[in-house]
Amino acid sequence: EDQVTQSPEALRLQEGESSSLNCSYTVSGLRGLFWYRQDPGKGPEFLFTLYSAGEEKEKERLKATLTKKESFLHITAPKPEDSATYLCAVQATGGSYIPTFGRGTSLIVHP
Amino acid sequence: KAGVTQTPRYLIKTRGQQVTLSCSPISGHRSVSWYQQTPGQGLQFLFEYFSETQRNKGNFPGRFSGRQFSNSRSEMNVSTLELGDSALYLCASTTIGGDTSEQFFGPGTRLTVL
Repeated sequence: EDQVTQSPEALRLQEGESSSLNCSYTVSGLRGLFWYRQDPGKGPEFLFTLYSAGEEKEKERLKATLTKKESFLHITAPKPEDSATYLCAVQATGGSYIPTFGRGTSLIVHP
Repeated sequence: KAGVTQTPRYLIKTRGQQVTLSCSPISGHRSVSWYQQTPGQGLQFLFEYFSETQRNKGNFPGRFSGRQFSNSRSEMNVSTLELGDSALYLCASTTIGGDTSEQFFGPGTRLTVL
């Protein structure tokens, strides 16, 4: 069974204080790993797809990296508007296209 | 390109009633998935429709059902509502193809059962 574990559950940062969110996964074969951002009361917003170990993708202050067992979402010099819940999901090879989601990391950035 | 739309955005119902939620996917997307999101359980997969056929189903009781129309629009129905059905219901559309299928979510329907 595919599993996704995100840590920490919650993270509080000061504006400008860089940090990383972790997504550990267990899957028979990885087709893709996704990162989403979700604001309160809204649907998740797609951020990145990573396909293979060693791959990195960047968007503004966010950089996602992937190894064979985990992914990191690095946040550089965060701003209060980066406050949100960040969700990780994995899609396995074979079978359905339905991704398995982690529980998310709730990030609060204080000014 | 317009995103995924869901209607209504908010609903308040009482126990025992039924409710129908609607989702219009991104143009060209043929797969629509439904999720239930609660603080305690996170995102839980309900079902997926592709070309008007239910292709995958999550572990939810038969009170939860859905369908997809020829234009890819989808509806989900919950009958005999229970207090525990209060949640954010999210619809996601996907274009099937290539090696991966990224899901794009709508804003959700917030259902409150009293």
